[in-house]
Amino acid sequence: AQKVTQAQTEISVVEKEDVTLDCVYETRDTTYYLFWYKQPPSGELVFLIRRNSFDEQNEISGRYSWNFQKSTSSFNFTITASQVVDSAVYFCALSETQTGANNLFFGTGTRLTVIP
Amino acid sequence: GAGVSQSPSNKVTEKGKDVELRCDPISGHTALYWYRQRLGQGLEFLIYFQGNSAPDKSGLPSDRFSAERTGGSVSTLTIQRTQQEDSAVYLCASSLVGAGTSGRNEQFFGPGTRLTVL
Repeated sequence: AQKVTQAQTEISVVEKEDVTLDCVYETRDTTYYLFWYKQPPSGELVFLIRRNSFDEQNEISGRYSWNFQKSTSSFNFTITASQVVDSAVYFCALSETQTGANNLFFGTGTRLTVIP
Repeated sequence: GAGVSQSPSNKVTEKGKDVELRCDPISGHTALYWYRQRLGQGLEFLIYFQGNSAPDKSGLPSDRFSAERTGGSVSTLTIQRTQQEDSAVYLCASSLVGAGTSGRNEQFFGPGTRLTVL
């Protein structure tokens, strides 16, 4: 079963619009970590945020904000006032601490295109 | 500071040949990971190294794939008798602590090696 689901394969928005990228995860661990990465056209994955399972406080960093809700197993990412430079593939990922898995489980990614 | 570096950036090889891909992690990072990303898809875990512990090879797709990490730093991923389905971008990542532990476990990725098997 997929541990991380990003149902939106592709999203297009016009510059300055807000956009939310959805991420739903599945784990039996009580302690886990969630991540978002950005993969621009250059290909290199850029770390954006890490959130542990005990911290449900929403986080804002400039135009980026993250909404973590354990009740719905979701960790959604919102970009406010989108810009062309935000165009990239965004990956949500999960790290477990109790299953012995040593890797990140990645979703299949959401390709965001911001149209000028 | 210097990030994760990988070489070569591109590799074209013929089916049946062996290839070696290199990764230099961030200095001081104890954990190192290899992932594979096929075109338009997410990342597929291959192998994990943590300090002097035995590597977690659970993601390697076949015995044609192997990896080493020498001196707790540089790693080499070797693919023997390459097949066309091995064509992908191979990404290396490192983290200060292991993925399954608390603390600074976020992974920092290199630019990848794009492997094309003809």
